[in-house]
Amino acid sequence: TQLLEQSPQFLSIQEGENLTVYCNSSSVFSSLQWYRQEPGEGPVLLVTVVTGGEVKKLKRLTFQFGDARKDSSLHITAAQPGDTGLYLCAASVNYGQNFVFGPGTRLSVLP
Amino acid sequence: DVKVTQSSRYLVKRTGEKVFLECVQDMDHENMFWYRQDPGLGLRLIYFSYDVKMKEKGDIPEGYSVSREKKERFSLILESASTNQTSMYLCASSPPLSFRDQPQHFGDGTRLSIL
Repeated sequence: TQLLEQSPQFLSIQEGENLTVYCNSSSVFSSLQWYRQEPGEGPVLLVTVVTGGEVKKLKRLTFQFGDARKDSSLHITAAQPGDTGLYLCAASVNYGQNFVFGPGTRLSVLP
Repeated sequence: DVKVTQSSRYLVKRTGEKVFLECVQDMDHENMFWYRQDPGLGLRLIYFSYDVKMKEKGDIPEGYSVSREKKERFSLILESASTNQTSMYLCASSPPLSFRDQPQHFGDGTRLSIL
């Protein structure tokens, strides 16, 4: 069983639409990171959230860490084809030493 | 910029062969990691290392070993390759524990096929 669950597994939308993807667990984490992985490349960090209820914005991307530090969401406004990729959440179980990764949400934004 | 370089992008080997995957980072990071990535399973940690000559088992170490003789280089070894080790292998590095919640910097991966 996965320590981290991500939903949806796949998402295909039209350019300009909004979307939200989720990362959930029954465990409490000290921090959570979101990565994006494009085909043929390794994951690249988007954001780290560490405080329950924290909200961070990165241009059209909004990240939220749940109050209980068990879940997180990523909201994209006005999606563009360049947002296409695999979105991975990763949670720290011991203050940043190691991270557990979720299975990912594969996003496709069609022009 | 941090650069993590994996020696091969694609590799094809036969069952029973000993396979070496090499990873080099140029940021003097203490921590280095090896993951495998399979569809629907995400990244699973095989081994990690906090310092030269130190290694720790991750979640799926069976069938693998590692070597870290120099700080910048972390090698993954498949002692006797099997078909269930066909996968994408990702190497990563990060600053030490004292730098809390720092990102892991990944290489571009090695897609390994075992025939």
